[in-house]
Amino acid sequence: EIVMTQSPATLSVSPGERATLSCRASQSVRSNLAWYQQKPGQAPRLLIYTASARPTGIPTRFSGSGSGTDFTFTISSLQSEDFAVYYCQQYNNWPPTFGQGTKVEIK
Amino acid sequence: EVQLVQSGAEVKEPGESLKISCKGSGYSFSSYWIAWVRQMPGKGPEWMGIIHPGDSDIRYSPSFQGQVTISADKSISTAYLHWSSLKASDTAMYYCARTTVGITTWLEYWGQGTLVSVSS
Repeated sequence: EIVMTQSPATLSVSPGERATLSCRASQSVRSNLAWYQQKPGQAPRLLIYTASARPTGIPTRFSGSGSGTDFTFTISSLQSEDFAVYYCQQYNNWPPTFGQGTKVEIK
Repeated sequence: EVQLVQSGAEVKEPGESLKISCKGSGYSFSSYWIAWVRQMPGKGPEWMGIIHPGDSDIRYSPSFQGQVTISADKSISTAYLHWSSLKASDTAMYYCARTTVGITTWLEYWGQGTLVSVSS
């Protein structure tokens, strides 16, 4: 099973600032990586798939990059509604696996 | 609009059985795989298994094989997750989610979650 490791565990950012989150896979997952946002009491929400593609309706301030084992997720200018936990997920191998999450909190 | 609506929260005792449900609407239910995902308090999600409602093809993650049973009834657009004998360690939030392409993929549409609490 592929292990996904996210860093940092918690990121303190001021509104309007840039946030950069990392995700590392224990072996190559090519570009088969997704990012999700989860707010308290809600289901995860898909933000990025195939490492860098955004589903319809996802704001352009959310972006992803990387391939192989190292991936980056960026929020270009944090809005109040962006403070949440973010998870990466690989789907290159069965079973798909998620990281443990990065909490983005208000500085 | 694609919607997945899950059954309500459950409180059970160890050893009891339980079946929770996930009803899809707004799309062709038989055409897309439905995954079940566990999320324990304060932890990341875990992929439990997946079913294709059209032909009931099922795949389980190794960690959940033999621990739960996934099924679906396409006539009522509903997928199920069943436990024959609950343990305290099954306490978690359970989500169903729909894939967009294939079986090993991202999850674009999610149910609201079903909280399962198991305690004596």
